Amino acid sequence: GAVVSQHPSWVICKSGTSVKIECRSLDFQATTMFWYRQFPKQSLMLMATSNEGSKATYEQGVEKDKFLINHASLTLSTLTVTSAHPEDSSFYICSASEASGSYEQYFGPGTRLTVT
Amino acid sequence: KNQVEQSPQSLIILEGKNCTLQCNYTVSPFSNLRWYKQDTGRGPVSLTIMTFSENTKSNGRYTATLDADTKQSSLHITASQLSDSASYICVVSPYGGATNKLIFGTGTLLAVQP
Repeated sequence: GAVVSQHPSWVICKSGTSVKIECRSLDFQATTMFWYRQFPKQSLMLMATSNEGSKATYEQGVEKDKFLINHASLTLSTLTVTSAHPEDSSFYICSASEASGSYEQYFGPGTRLTVT
Repeated sequence: KNQVEQSPQSLIILEGKNCTLQCNYTVSPFSNLRWYKQDTGRGPVSLTIMTFSENTKSNGRYTATLDADTKQSSLHITASQLSDSASYICVVSPYGGATNKLIFGTGTLLAVQP
C-alpha cells in the first residue's frame, strides 16, 4: 500500500517550452502533497506544499509563476514548469501524506527533467 | 538554525560486512526522525521512523537508534548486500504531523562491493 507514482519518469524539453509532471497517490487519499527538487549529489529541497483544493504554499526563492502547482483532487497533483530554462534541469520528486494525519510521507519515484 | 548533518559523506564496504551511519541534528522542537534509502535516480523509500520517545527501531537488516538528549541518531546495516548500495538520508520533522516540513540531511552514499 501507500504507493505514489509520477509521470513521466523522464522528459526532455526545449528551452522556453512548458512541461507538466503528474504525481498520483494510487491507493490512498492524500490531502497534502509536497514537491521537491534535487540536484546531483545534493539532498532534496522542498519547493512547495499543496493541499487539495487550496493554493500551494511556496518556499522562499521558488517562483510560483514559474512552477505552477495544481492539487485538484485527493489523488492527483501536477507541477508545471513554465518557460523552462537549462538551469531548471533537475530531478523532481513529489511526496504525499494520507488524510489520517500519520507522520509518514510517501515519495514518488521522481521525474528527471532535462531542458536543452 | 534547524540542521541535519550526516557522516560519513560516503562509505565503501565489502559485501557481508556491517556498517553504521551517523546523524546529528539541531532541530528543536523535535517530533520524529526518519531514515530513508534513495537509490540512484529514484525517490526515497522509508526505512524507519521514530518519535522522540523511541530509542531503537528495526526493519530487517536495518536498525536505527535515537538519543533525543544528545540529538544523535544512527543507522546500522547488518550483513550488507550489493543492493544496499544507495544514499541514506536522515530526515527530521520539527513539529510533528504529516503536513509539516521535513528537514533533510545531505545523505551518506554507501557503496557495497563484492
